[in-house]
Order: sequence, then structure tokens, then C-alpha cells
Amino acid sequence: QKEVEQDPGPLSVPEGAIVSLNCTYSNSAFQYFMWYRQYSRKGPELLMYTYSSGNKEDGRFTAQVDKSSKYISLFIRDSQPSDSATYLCAMSPNSNSGYALNFGKGTSLLVTP
Amino acid sequence: KAGVTQTPRYLIKTRGQQVTLSCSPISGHRSVSWYQQTPGQGLQFLFEYFSETQRNKGNFPGRFSGRQFSNSRSEMNVSTLELGDSALYLCASSGTPNEKLFFGSGTQLSVL
Repeated sequence: QKEVEQDPGPLSVPEGAIVSLNCTYSNSAFQYFMWYRQYSRKGPELLMYTYSSGNKEDGRFTAQVDKSSKYISLFIRDSQPSDSATYLCAMSPNSNSGYALNFGKGTSLLVTP
Repeated sequence: KAGVTQTPRYLIKTRGQQVTLSCSPISGHRSVSWYQQTPGQGLQFLFEYFSETQRNKGNFPGRFSGRQFSNSRSEMNVSTLELGDSALYLCASSGTPNEKLFFGSGTQLSVL
């Protein structure tokens, strides 16, 4: 069993919808949580970075971490066709891990006009 | 500011051959990480270098190796290629190992 599980989708939503993307994990040592966006034929791009439990908001994006449930979420408000991409969650036990990040396999999102 | 540059973008090799991939980090970045991305396994950590020293290594066989030069540029080498090595190989850099990671567009390796 992988340490990080993520539903691959695809997830298709109409423009303007609220999107919810989720990951679960099994390693209770994870403390740093990230969400990346990857467009086709491009490398991942960091969207959100959070430490421990709680919420973080940046524009249309909100990241939530629930360490007690080992569950993290990314919400996208007012979704746009340009948000169509694969979204990857990533996590690590500490900030000094030399970027040995544990990634989910990614959720493919399609936002239709 | 130029991003992370990986060359070549595409590569086709046959089983048993070896391959070297190159990564030029963002100017001023000293930490370089390598990841393998496949549809089946997703992104998996290969290794990380900081100031020419390998600080961390993932769970890959010894056929996968890397190095970093004094100008922070990095190379990874895969010897005795297997069909299962077909993947997108991603390089990422950061100013220090604790800062935001910037990924390149990757090298798509196909092993026939």
C-alpha cells in the first residue's frame, strides 16, 4: 500500500463550480503538505504549502489538513477551464528531508466551459 | 529568470544501453532533486544533491546514479536500461533544501 493515496479521477466539472480534491495518507510522521498542479507535458508547479493541521487560503485555492484523520484537501472556487490539469498532493516528515517528497498519483481535473 | 532546464526533452533507447540526462537549475539554486514519474507509480523520489553532495536517496537500484557539479548543474545516469525504466524524469531545484521546489519540464525516456 502506498503511503499516499489519491483518486485518479478524471473529475469533470462545469466552469464556476467548486472543486474538491483529496488525499489520504498512512504515515503519521508527515507534517509538511503540498499541492502541485501539472499541465500536460510540463513539470509540476507548487500551488499550496502547509505545515501540520489547519487551513490555508490563497486566492481561489484553499488547502486543508486534518492530521487526526490523515486527510488533506484542496478546494478550488470559481473553477476555470485553465484549471484543467492534474493535481498532485505531496508530503514529507520534515522540512529538512532533502525534498524526498511522497506524492499521490494525481487527480485529473477537467473544467468545461 | 530562466527556469529549470532539462535536456534532452525526449530520448529513445534500447534495453541494455545506458543514458545520461542533464539538468540546469535556476541560477543561484544549489539543491537539485530528481524524480521518476510513471502512470503506474506516479512521482517517485530518486535522489537529492546539495553543494555537490548527495544528501538523500530513494528506493531505486544502483543502476540509477547521479552527480552534481560545482556550478550546481546535475546529471543522472541509468545503466543497463530496462523496459520498466521508461518514464518522465523530472529535475527540480531550490535555493536550499527547505525552500520551494521548481520543476523542469522533464525528459521523456522510452526504452524499447
